[in-house]
Amino acid sequence: GDSVIQMQGQVTLSENDFLFINCTYSTTGYPTLFWYVQYSGEGPQLLLQVTTANNKGSSRGFEATYDKGTTSFHLQKTSVQEIDSAVYYCAMRRDTNAYKVIFGKGTHLHVLP
Amino acid sequence: EAAVTQSPRNKVAVTGGKVTLSCNQTNNHNNMYWYRQDTGHGLRLIHYSYGAGSTEKGDIPDGYKASRPSQENFSLILELATPSQTSVYFCASGVPGQGAGDTQYFGPGTRLLVL
Repeated sequence: GDSVIQMQGQVTLSENDFLFINCTYSTTGYPTLFWYVQYSGEGPQLLLQVTTANNKGSSRGFEATYDKGTTSFHLQKTSVQEIDSAVYYCAMRRDTNAYKVIFGKGTHLHVLP
Repeated sequence: EAAVTQSPRNKVAVTGGKVTLSCNQTNNHNNMYWYRQDTGHGLRLIHYSYGAGSTEKGDIPDGYKASRPSQENFSLILELATPSQTSVYFCASGVPGQGAGDTQYFGPGTRLLVL
């Protein structure tokens, strides 16, 4: 069945460090892939999305690269700030007609000042 | 701006009691969703709906019912609450396959504690 896997449960960095969060997915469809961010006390919100028509997406200094060959979808940022501390979810919609979005377990990013 | 609201924001219930969580959206989205969020599990889909009058089972529907009486409102019902249903519940709305609009808008969440 369809699945999304985030192995990194928690990441701790210092300000200006490089961020890389790994996500892999499994599906037989032509997925749209998402990164959602959830700040403390709030609901998740869309950070960026990538479809099979393009390989990259970017927003607010974050960039996501999609690799169909390895079925991976990474999130990275060159220089994190303390305000980036949040939980980041990788997610997948199997195809544009699918109602369901499948979420990974989330990666809790803690950025030290 | 998309708007999804949930009530109550916090709820304490007793085992065996009935709990109703409410969600309202002003986005005029067809699709609405209920998730629960637990440490180590992330977001898991309980029920969803693709329009007024419809409800569909998600990945973990046992112990939960859903009701979609109108485009704007989607409720999650725990007929006999159990301590294992202690969690944070999120409602979301969305429209699939709309390019840049292909996203889900989440509410602020409801913290439920079942004693």
